[in-house]
This record gives sequence, structure tokens and C-alpha cells, in this order.
Amino acid sequence: NAGVTQTPKFQVLKTGQSMTLQCAQDMNHNSMYWYRQDPGMGLRLIYYSASEGTTDKGEVPNGYNVSRLNKREFSLRLESAAPSQTSVYFCASHGLAGYNEQFFGPGTRLTVL
Amino acid sequence: QKEVEQNSGPLSVPEGAIASLNCTYSDRGSQSFFWYRQYSGKSPELIMSIYSNGDKEDGRFTAQLNKASQYVSLLIRDSQPSDSATYLCAVNMWAAGTALIFGKGTTLSVSS
Repeated sequence: NAGVTQTPKFQVLKTGQSMTLQCAQDMNHNSMYWYRQDPGMGLRLIYYSASEGTTDKGEVPNGYNVSRLNKREFSLRLESAAPSQTSVYFCASHGLAGYNEQFFGPGTRLTVL
Repeated sequence: QKEVEQNSGPLSVPEGAIASLNCTYSDRGSQSFFWYRQYSGKSPELIMSIYSNGDKEDGRFTAQLNKASQYVSLLIRDSQPSDSATYLCAVNMWAAGTALIFGKGTTLSVSS
């Protein structure tokens, strides 16, 4: 079991460029999440998908879009990157109904110049 | 406003001592509580979950929950230098659906 995987691990973009962060889990989990982590701000939820076919906004959704491609995969897209989106992005998943233990991927470190 | 509060630290303890990490939360209806450990440059790792009032022990770790006081804590006994990390408190609040609200974390430093 690889758990939660994310690609790429590192990325440098120029302002205005677009990119998609990929996340996949092999634990048959229903729910998946995208967080960003900034110094002094903690982990903040961007978007989540409670089940295949559904997505919802979190605390900081502006500038992002998501796609729950299937039960395994949940991608995060930046359409026009801005320096304020420089951050570490984590994908997480959980699957047991009634329990919200989330398991995190290794993260993507994104720099927008 | 959904909030989870932690002291940022750093909390410094000598090797072998007990480290006590504290967390308060704003939503009285919260049901699930978690402690994650995060080493520098790494992703958060779940170390404890607790769902009912009282203590839950797992090895050197004890989580304590008091819903009436809206307070959850983590005790680390016989602290080791390898415990030096940032500890994140996370709470599932009713209004957040399945999502977790995270505190900003407490940095623990264990000196040998």
C-alpha cells in the first residue's frame, strides 16, 4: 500500500501560469481533501470531496479548482498562479464512516515567482 | 467561527521528562479529536485520536479529552530527542462536515 501519493514534489511557476497537482490514494477511502500550509497559518482546507462525484469549498478556495476524477484520484488546479499561492500543498483522505482520521500525502512544495 | 487554539511554543523539555501539549476548541458540538506530529519538511502523521471524555493511552502517548471544558491535551512520557517536532491538534466540528479544523501547532524541543 502506497497510501496517499502526490505529484509533483516540487514545482516553480511564474505568475499567471497554470498547473494541476495530482493526488491518489489506494486505501479505498471515500473522502479526500486538499490543504495548504503556510508559516504561522497552520493547515487550511482548500477543497474537499466527501465522496466520488461531490466537491465542496473549504476555508480558502479562491484561485483553485478541483476534480474528483474517480474514487482514487482528486486533483487541484491553479488556473492563473499568483505569488500568494506559494505554499506547501497536502492531500489527505479518510474512509471510515463516523471516524475522521485523515492520512496525508507527502506534499507538494510550490513556489510562484 | 470555527477555531482550534494551541500555544505555538517552543516547548522545551529535557530528555526523559513529560511533555504536555494543550489545545482548546470553539465548537461545543465537536465529536472527533486528533493529534498529528509533523517533522520539519514532512507531512503530518496521525499519532492519536480520541472520541470520548477521559484518557486514551498508546505507548508513551496519552490523549486527554474534556468536552465540558472544550479542551484536549497530549502527554508524552519519557520524552526523546526524536519527539522534537511540531504537534498539530485537529478537531472535527459539526459545522465542518467531514473536514478537520487544525490548530497552528506547538513546536516541541527535547534536549538530550
